[in-house]
Amino acid sequence: DAGITQSPRHKVTETGTPVTLRCHQTENHRYMYWYRQDPGHGLRLIHYSYGVKDTDKGEVSDGYSVSRSKTEDFLLTLESATSSQTSVYFCAISERGGYNEQFFGPGTRLTVL
Amino acid sequence: ILNVEQSPQSLHVQEGDSTNFTCSFPSSNFYALHWYRWETAKSPEALFVMTLNGDEKKKGRISATLNTKEGYSYLYIKGSQPEDSATYLCASPPPINAGGTSYGKLTFGQGTILTVHP
Repeated sequence: DAGITQSPRHKVTETGTPVTLRCHQTENHRYMYWYRQDPGHGLRLIHYSYGVKDTDKGEVSDGYSVSRSKTEDFLLTLESATSSQTSVYFCAISERGGYNEQFFGPGTRLTVL
Repeated sequence: ILNVEQSPQSLHVQEGDSTNFTCSFPSSNFYALHWYRWETAKSPEALFVMTLNGDEKKKGRISATLNTKEGYSYLYIKGSQPEDSATYLCASPPPINAGGTSYGKLTFGQGTILTVHP
């Protein structure tokens, strides 16, 4: 299994609070991704990183920010959580972007009350 | 955002049946098509990454074909088993000439939910 961990694995928070999710990899892959899983939408890309300090928005980036200060860590921050951000969040990594398969972390279940 | 579509949305088959489903994607400036298997309460797992027109890949009882000229890929499962029950996702990166920072992004289809009944 690819070495990807996500923390926390479960979190319950209240509307308006900031939340940070962490993705950590031990594979030294260049590309890292944050997705959210929503019924009827499958997987939707929030943000992705194509290198240290290099990030780009996905299709559902509003309300989220990311940072990547080192190869192994990719952080997703919800500045002020809303109930619509209740979801399961998956981190993924890839060695060569679109040419290679993505390996997914175990997911983080976030509930915003 | 790319238009990646999968059909059917869901499929129920009996154990032992063979089945197939479709992914359609933009054919212009294509360079890769991904297939993933996603079991309930687990993470998606890669099945195939296909890049060449006419390519056929196989993993056990699962195989996939690719037609880049007309923009579709088929996933086949031979002799379905209950453990094959999952959502099967396809995904495509932007066209090779999209440029900018979009190179590594994938757009996923909504998936085909397969249920294999014993």
